[in-house]
Amino acid sequence: GENVEQHPSTLSVQEGDSAVIKCTYSDSASNYFPWYKQELGKRPQLIIDIRSNVGEKKDQRIAVTLNKTAKHFSLHITETQPEDSAVYFCAARLNNAGNMLTFGGGTRLMVKP
Amino acid sequence: DGGITQSPKYLFRKEGQNVTLSCEQNLNHDAMYWYRQDPGQGLRLIYYSQIVNDFQKGDIAEGYSVSREKKESFPLTVTSAQKNPTAFYLCASREYSNQPQHFGDGTRLSIL
Repeated sequence: GENVEQHPSTLSVQEGDSAVIKCTYSDSASNYFPWYKQELGKRPQLIIDIRSNVGEKKDQRIAVTLNKTAKHFSLHITETQPEDSAVYFCAARLNNAGNMLTFGGGTRLMVKP
Repeated sequence: DGGITQSPKYLFRKEGQNVTLSCEQNLNHDAMYWYRQDPGQGLRLIYYSQIVNDFQKGDIAEGYSVSREKKESFPLTVTSAQKNPTAFYLCASREYSNQPQHFGDGTRLSIL
């Protein structure tokens, strides 16, 4: 099966700085990589996703990059704001797995004002 | 995500008791999923269902059971065989195979 490693587990940045969270996956058959943001006690919410036929995707201050050869993908948040503080999860989906997602362990991002 | 409703929000289980967590969606989504989240950890898949009357075990199915009698409903029963049930349980659904999963608000289960 798939295995997803996520780093770092905690990340503290100053407001306005950039934040980068990295994930690696084990199965080269994975073809879909979503990122979720979860605020304390709430549901994970999809913030951006990328498919394996694309190397980069941007949505305002958020971007995701994918390196299929190295089997890693990263979330980039620019101009961070205090409301970006949350736990972020990456996930990977195998092409043949009934849309099952394997999640990374999460990164707690703290943006200091 | 307002179309996925989990209830109750908080649930307490006595030793030896089975409890059932509800998940309902009015999005006409085909597939539904149950995840368990422990403090400071990621989500682990318990069970999933791609169509009515069919479901598959995930990574941590032991001590849990599900049913999918209707497209909109996917209840999860935490049985007495699950010795460490305290966790945050999340239900998710998706429309069809190329679409992302969306989550409900979760149920927090604790042992009395």
